Amino acid sequence: KAGVTQTPRYLIKTRGQQVTLSCSPISGHRSVSWYQQTPGQGLQFLFEYFSETQRNKGNFPGRFSGRQFSNSRSEMNVSTLELGDSALYLCASLDGGTQYFGPGTRLTVL
Amino acid sequence: QKEVEQNSGPLSVPEGAIASLNCTYSDRGSQSFFWYRQYSGKSPELIMFIYSNGDKEDGRFTAQLNKASQYVSLLIRDSQPSDSATYLCAVITGTASKLTFGTGTRLQVTL
Repeated sequence: KAGVTQTPRYLIKTRGQQVTLSCSPISGHRSVSWYQQTPGQGLQFLFEYFSETQRNKGNFPGRFSGRQFSNSRSEMNVSTLELGDSALYLCASLDGGTQYFGPGTRLTVL
Repeated sequence: QKEVEQNSGPLSVPEGAIASLNCTYSDRGSQSFFWYRQYSGKSPELIMFIYSNGDKEDGRFTAQLNKASQYVSLLIRDSQPSDSATYLCAVITGTASKLTFGTGTRLQVTL
């Protein structure tokens, strides 16, 4: 089976812009979670989607949003980018309680 | 108190030795426990998960869980230089699928 894919792998944006990241889970997995990883805060949960519905949400501002499509692919969007949004954004494909991470998208905000 | 605590290290062990990585968690309702390995610049890779008290072995890796002490550990036998990485402990509490991570322990295996 192919693993989790994330696009793009690297992204450079400027403050105030918005960005959309994409994730395709492992084939057959219907649930996707998103995490943000920074040196200061470590890995933090953003949200989880199952069957196109947001099932859980972490403690992030409303600028962070996501959605899931009928084919289980998911996107997350960050609007009005801030310097502090620079991070590695990780998507995880869920198989029951076990989560498998994709390669991540490295976002740099200038 | 942090929900999941790990010593940041670095933990330095010689090649061939046993590396012992420890993790404590604060919520007694935590039910599932995971160890991930993360190489610099890469994403976390699942090594093991454990749900029940006791030991679980997979090759050179053994996960140990003690719910009464709210403690989970990872033992790596016959440590190799390729094991040098950051090891992340993560827990799931309740019915949600949210993983709560520790800050990770950096392991260095020396020749």
